[in-house]
Amino acid sequence: DTGVSQDPRHKITKRGQNVTFRCDPISEHNRLYWYRQTLGQGPEFLTYFQNEAQLEKSRLLSDRFSAERPKGSFSTLEIQRTEQGDSAMYLCASSSMKIRGPADTQYFGPGTRLTVL
Amino acid sequence: AQSVTQPDIHITVSEGASLELRCNYSYGATPYLFWYVQSPGQGLQLLLKYFSGDTLVQGIKGFEAEFKRSQSSFNLRKPSVHWSDAAEYFCAVSPLSSASKIIFGSGTRLSIRP
Repeated sequence: DTGVSQDPRHKITKRGQNVTFRCDPISEHNRLYWYRQTLGQGPEFLTYFQNEAQLEKSRLLSDRFSAERPKGSFSTLEIQRTEQGDSAMYLCASSSMKIRGPADTQYFGPGTRLTVL
Repeated sequence: AQSVTQPDIHITVSEGASLELRCNYSYGATPYLFWYVQSPGQGLQLLLKYFSGDTLVQGIKGFEAEFKRSQSSFNLRKPSVHWSDAAEYFCAVSPLSSASKIIFGSGTRLSIRP
């Protein structure tokens, strides 16, 4: 078990550019989550997938944001036409939800820190 | 709306002293409750979680938390802190109706005085 990995760890971009982040969950975890964390705040939920289906999206996820998990394994988060307000740490987490029951434990990756100049 | 309040932004304690970090939640029913720790450059690590049953929950690294329904609180405690405990601590809840999304508090930064 290698844990959740994210790539890149750091990204600096200019306003208006598109960026894409990748998350590789713990193998065989069927749920994958994206969160955003700004300085001095706790993480905020963006969206989650169960297998390849995107089941919930936060209002924070504007139409400039899109997330995919095409084969139910890794996921990508793309931000189009970046703005300075998009600067944040983007966290990915995964979990294994087998049956209906208590909340599954989410395991977090190290995050991708985005700076928009 | 569900919310999590961590009233202390920053706490400093001496090494070897006891620690209590406060957490209050606002929700219609008892949600699932968590404490996570985040060290610089590290991902969030789960310290402990409460789903039901015994209201005193034991976690990793010598931490424990007590769920008090009457106070809507889930405070984190450790009897004797170590310098390596310096980090940011987040209390979090997961509503029963959406046992997937986690709502985090704003965090408490813990500093350790030598």
